[in-house]
Amino acid sequence: KQEVTQIPAALSVPEGENLVLNCSFTDSAIYNLQWFRQDPGKGLTSLLLIQSSQREQTSGRLNASLDKSSGRSTLYIAASQPGDSATYLCAVNRGYGQNFVFGPGTRLSVLP
Amino acid sequence: DTEVTQTPKHLVMGMTNKKSLKCEQHMGHRAMYWYKQKAKKPPELMFVYSYEKLSINESVPSRFSPECPNSSLLNLHLHALQPEDSALYLCASSQDRSDSYEQYFGPGTRLTVT
Repeated sequence: KQEVTQIPAALSVPEGENLVLNCSFTDSAIYNLQWFRQDPGKGLTSLLLIQSSQREQTSGRLNASLDKSSGRSTLYIAASQPGDSATYLCAVNRGYGQNFVFGPGTRLSVLP
Repeated sequence: DTEVTQTPKHLVMGMTNKKSLKCEQHMGHRAMYWYKQKAKKPPELMFVYSYEKLSINESVPSRFSPECPNSSLLNLHLHALQPEDSALYLCASSQDRSDSYEQYFGPGTRLTVT
């Protein structure tokens, strides 16, 4: 059974810092891994999708890497801003029409 | 159009009521999903529809009844709910493309059962 963990559970940093969020999964048989952002009481916003054949994806100040063999992904946020404050969730996908298995999330607070 | 819409945004219902949640996408996606999310927890899968047929039911109580009338629309019918069913209900969709399978989520319906 696939299990996904995220470290740290919560993180508070001053504005401008670079930071790394970690995601680990137990079963490397995945199609892709997706990082989401969720603001309190809101839906999920997709940030980055990494296919199992890819090593990393970049979007603006965000960079996500994937090491499928070790069951790890990291989300790097450069020059953090207060607007980045949210919960960040990673999820692994076994394929079309399959369940996403979500990690518990990292609650990020970026202080002005 | 890369949007999944959900209505209503908020719903308050009594335990004897019958109500429905609606989800719609016009991206041509053929898989649609219902997730339930409790506060400070990750989403948990409830149902998956693939090509308008129910393909996954994660042992959800029968007071939740999904329906997929067509490829763009997904409903969740609610009847005789319990207060512990109060949660954020999220809908998602994905396309049948082996190079993607990216899931797109709607904004959710905040359900309160009184």
